[in-house]
Amino acid sequence: DGGITQSPKYLFRKEGQNVTLSCEQNLNHDAMYWYRQDPGQGLRLIYYSQIVNDFQKGDIAEGYSVSREKKESFPLTVTSAQKNPTAFYLCASSNTGNSPLHFGNGTRLTVT
Amino acid sequence: AQSVTQPDIHITVSEGASLELRCNYSYGATPYLFWYVQSPGQGLQLLLKYFSGDTLVQGIKGFEAEFKRSQSSFNLRKPSVHWSDAAEYFCAVAISGTYKYIFGTGTRLKVLA
Repeated sequence: DGGITQSPKYLFRKEGQNVTLSCEQNLNHDAMYWYRQDPGQGLRLIYYSQIVNDFQKGDIAEGYSVSREKKESFPLTVTSAQKNPTAFYLCASSNTGNSPLHFGNGTRLTVT
Repeated sequence: AQSVTQPDIHITVSEGASLELRCNYSYGATPYLFWYVQSPGQGLQLLLKYFSGDTLVQGIKGFEAEFKRSQSSFNLRKPSVHWSDAAEYFCAVAISGTYKYIFGTGTRLKVLA
């Protein structure tokens, strides 16, 4: 079955360390997204990519970086510059800009 | 500015009762609207979508939603709730011509046995 795989499900890091979250899709979707979810705040867009080797900042890109070297993969790096990195991170993909989003099961990052 | 408002943070219903979750949007053009459901610690699953045409749309798990342009609303309904429907529900609008989606802050549904 096609879908989006995020790994790991839980991630623990010390403050000051960079950490990379994995996202892989086999839906053959062109667009991929990273959202951050905090209680009571809905989903906030970090970065998105419409096509390989291209990506754009979302609403809260500071302290994050991404790459899109392959259509299937869109890893997110949470850098030490991100002031409050502890959150639930969701990766998604879509066929086009107005299509429904397909989500992975998320990675919960805890930084202490 | 574009926005999505879900006025109810929490809703509690008894199993077998009907359900309506409210969603209001602010968007100038014809909206592409979605409802998603999220179980704890999981990703979001699409329940239904509205793009155009019939204003009453059917989704999975027995859910439906009605688009009312005059009220800028897209409320989600289910005639008889099951205990397994307990989850968080998100309404979203896609910004046409972009790859951006605006999500509401969610409504957490609790189902009493």
